[in-house]
Amino acid sequence: EAQVTQNPRYLITVTGKKLTVTCSQNMNHEYMSWYRQDPGLGLRQIYYSMNVEVTDKGDVPEGYKVSRKEKRNFPLILESPSPNQTSLYFCASSGTGSLSGAYVLTFGAGSRLTVL
Amino acid sequence: GDSVTQMEGPVTLSEEAFLTINCTYTATGYPSLFWYVQYPGEGLQLLLKATKADDKGSNKGFEATYRKETTSFHLEKGSVQVSDSAVYFCALRNRMFSGGYNKLIFGAGTRLAVHP
Repeated sequence: EAQVTQNPRYLITVTGKKLTVTCSQNMNHEYMSWYRQDPGLGLRQIYYSMNVEVTDKGDVPEGYKVSRKEKRNFPLILESPSPNQTSLYFCASSGTGSLSGAYVLTFGAGSRLTVL
Repeated sequence: GDSVTQMEGPVTLSEEAFLTINCTYTATGYPSLFWYVQYPGEGLQLLLKATKADDKGSNKGFEATYRKETTSFHLEKGSVQVSDSAVYFCALRNRMFSGGYNKLIFGAGTRLAVHP
């Protein structure tokens, strides 16, 4: 089954304790992206990656890092989490090319993070 | 910058009622428009899309028409079911974005609750 898998799905942590949210896709997609979802704000892009070793900032990158060493994986790293990073996080991926629908984003199920 | 505005929820309807969720956008150029749906505890799923003016996207009884003159993409369904209860997000994709060719700008989301 084609899917984007995120882990953990739920996490409660404390301020300053480094954590990583993993994201893996099995569709051989080039493009991957992280969003955070907050009430009243919808989803906002944190980082994206056009391909292996190619990453760039989205609209709200402060406090986050990413890496793309393999095509299927795109982890989100919070080096020193703070309470304002309490949110619901989504990883998404898509293909490229000219085929209709190639660019449609497939989302993971989400990771709910609480920073105390 | 580009933005999406959705009607605030929650929207509460009885089964078989008519649904409209309003969505308007501000964008430069010629964006593609999307509706995504998020069922409880799940990630976002593409519901329908339209890539140019006057296109009508449709899926599962839902429809939306890309109206460039009114910069709108309202979601409609003639007869809702309890299983349609979810959060609905309007989004746009603009090739002029700096956040990668597949960056989506989302509205805040509209929660729909359908009662038997």
